[in-house]
Parts: sequence; structure tokens; C-alpha cells
Amino acid sequence: QVQLVQSGAEVKKPGASVKVSCKASGYTFTSYGISWVRQAPGQGLEWMGWISGYNGNTYYAQDLQGRVTMTTDTSASTAYMDLRSLRSDDTAVYFCTRGRYSSSTLDYWGQGTLVTVSS
Amino acid sequence: DIQMTQSPSSLSASVGDRVTITCRASQGISSSLAWYQQIPGKAPKFLLYAASRLESGVPSRFSGSGSGTNYTLTISSLQPEDFATYYCQQYYSTPLTFGGGTKVEIK
Repeated sequence: QVQLVQSGAEVKKPGASVKVSCKASGYTFTSYGISWVRQAPGQGLEWMGWISGYNGNTYYAQDLQGRVTMTTDTSASTAYMDLRSLRSDDTAVYFCTRGRYSSSTLDYWGQGTLVTVSS
Repeated sequence: DIQMTQSPSSLSASVGDRVTITCRASQGISSSLAWYQQIPGKAPKFLLYAASRLESGVPSRFSGSGSGTNYTLTISSLQPEDFATYYCQQYYSTPLTFGGGTKVEIK
């Protein structure tokens, strides 16, 4: 069965960086991409970007350009999301999701990683 | 960017009720519309795609319809496990965008 297992919760200070991992299993990693979606406390869902599991091509949300980097390690079937210059409004649960293309449905989701940004 | 507007933002209903949620896109999205269900503290669950196609394993009481800019999700007979927040999402183009959510609460 398809599973996406994310790394654990993080607490960071403003200005720091965080790197969240997402290990995939149950499917051919290089046949799909990974989208990252975040959800601030009590709020809706916000798409952050997508990375191809095949060739590492990326598409980022415009308002995160310059602060976010998505990478993959195909040998480990793992995707990573690195967010820099953290602000308090980056406090959210971060989900990795499987999406074949940058514009596609998100059929499997990780369990979520809470990132708290606080001084 | 394509804006997705859901209504209502919340509703109260009883077990057995028929519930309809509406999602409107700011431009035509050619039925590239998905629905997700989120229970508090959990990740969203993928329910439907292409506006009306049920994902494998999703109960048949869920259905979707629509075209162009207007779409609906219907739950024909609400069950206790259906009390959750529902989100629509367009995948016509990047950036992917979601509706604001509809919280279905117990009356």
C-alpha cells in the first residue's frame, strides 16, 4: 500500500530554517511527483509547490519563491522541503502529498509535520 | 491564479440528511476539480476527481457534479463518520488552489 511518512515536529526561531522529509513506499517513486501543502492553525490548505520524482523539476508557489527548496533522494524514495527565513506566519502543519504532475490530484498524503516558529 | 470559492463555510445537519456543498472557480477549469475530506487532526482524504469520479473505496453516498466554473459535492445520506471539513481543489493549472473549506457539523 502507498505510504508517505514524514519527519517529526519542529520548533524553530524566527529567521531559522527547517527541513521536512517525506519517505515514500508502496509505489515507484520516480513515476510520481510530490506536492507540499501546508495548513496554518485553524485555516485552509495552501499549495507550496511540486517536485518531480523522475527528474527533480520543481514548481514553487510564487509567494514562497526564494525561501523554499524542494529536493528528492531517489535512492531513498524520499522527498525534502526546506523553508528558510522562517516567520511566525510559517507556523503550520506541512503535508507531503503524491501528485503525478504539477497540476494533478493529490491522492495520498503524509501524516503531517507541525512546524512551530516562535521566539 | 485561479480562485476557488466554497459555500457555505459551515453547515449543521443530522444523520440521514442530504448535504450539498458548492465550489465556484474564478475561471473555467474543464472539470479539473477534486474534493477532499479532512477530519480534525488528520490529513485530508482524497474523495473525488474530474468533478464526478469517485476515488476507489469512497462510499457511493458521495457524488459530484458540475462543469465550467460551478461544481457541487453531495452526500446523499449523511453518516456519523462524514462530519468533517470538505475542500475543493482545482488542478487545471498551477498554482494548485483550494476552496476555503466547508465544515459539516452535527445538528
